[in-house]
Amino acid sequence: EAQVTQNPRYLITVTGKKLTVTCSQNMNHEYMSWYRQDPGLGLRQIYYSMNVEVTDKGDVPEGYKVSRKEKRNFPLILESPSPNQTSLYFCASSLSGTGGVDEQYFGPGTRLTVT
Amino acid sequence: GENVEQHPSTLSVQEGDSAVIKCTYSDSASNYFPWYKQELGKRPQLIIDIRSNVGEKKDQRIAVTLNKTAKHFSLHITETQPEDSAVYFCAAAFNFGNEKLTFGTGTRLTIIP
Repeated sequence: EAQVTQNPRYLITVTGKKLTVTCSQNMNHEYMSWYRQDPGLGLRQIYYSMNVEVTDKGDVPEGYKVSRKEKRNFPLILESPSPNQTSLYFCASSLSGTGGVDEQYFGPGTRLTVT
Repeated sequence: GENVEQHPSTLSVQEGDSAVIKCTYSDSASNYFPWYKQELGKRPQLIIDIRSNVGEKKDQRIAVTLNKTAKHFSLHITETQPEDSAVYFCAAAFNFGNEKLTFGTGTRLTIIP
């Protein structure tokens, strides 16, 4: 089944404890992206990647890191999480690479709480 | 950077009536405008998109119109049904350059039976 998977789905952690949220897609998509969703603010892009080893900042990259060592995986790293990073996180992928943005397929979401 | 404003934030319509959600964007270079639907507790899913070389696109009960001069685009849902109740997000992106996708803040649509 073609899909985007994220793990974990739920995570409660403490301030400053490094964490990684994994994202994987099995559709051979070039483009991958991370978003955070907060009430009243919609979906905001954190980082995106057009291809392996190519990443770029979205609108809210502060406090996050990403890597794209393999085409299928795009982990989101929080080196020192803070309470303002409590949010619902979505990974997404789309077929286009240098061809630009097209339909994005979202993962199921990861609800992160930082205390 | 791009800024997308979406209105209204909440919308209630009687079943069978039409619903219209409007978005404006700031970057005149944007040329790709998708609409996503997010049901409660679920992931966003694309319902329709339009590129800047057309002014209107329709898919059954859903249509999107684009006015490039005024930099706004709208989602139209006709003959609304209870399953249309969800949060709808518009977005804008510039293809072939800066492939960031900027979303609006969402519209919670409630269909009243």
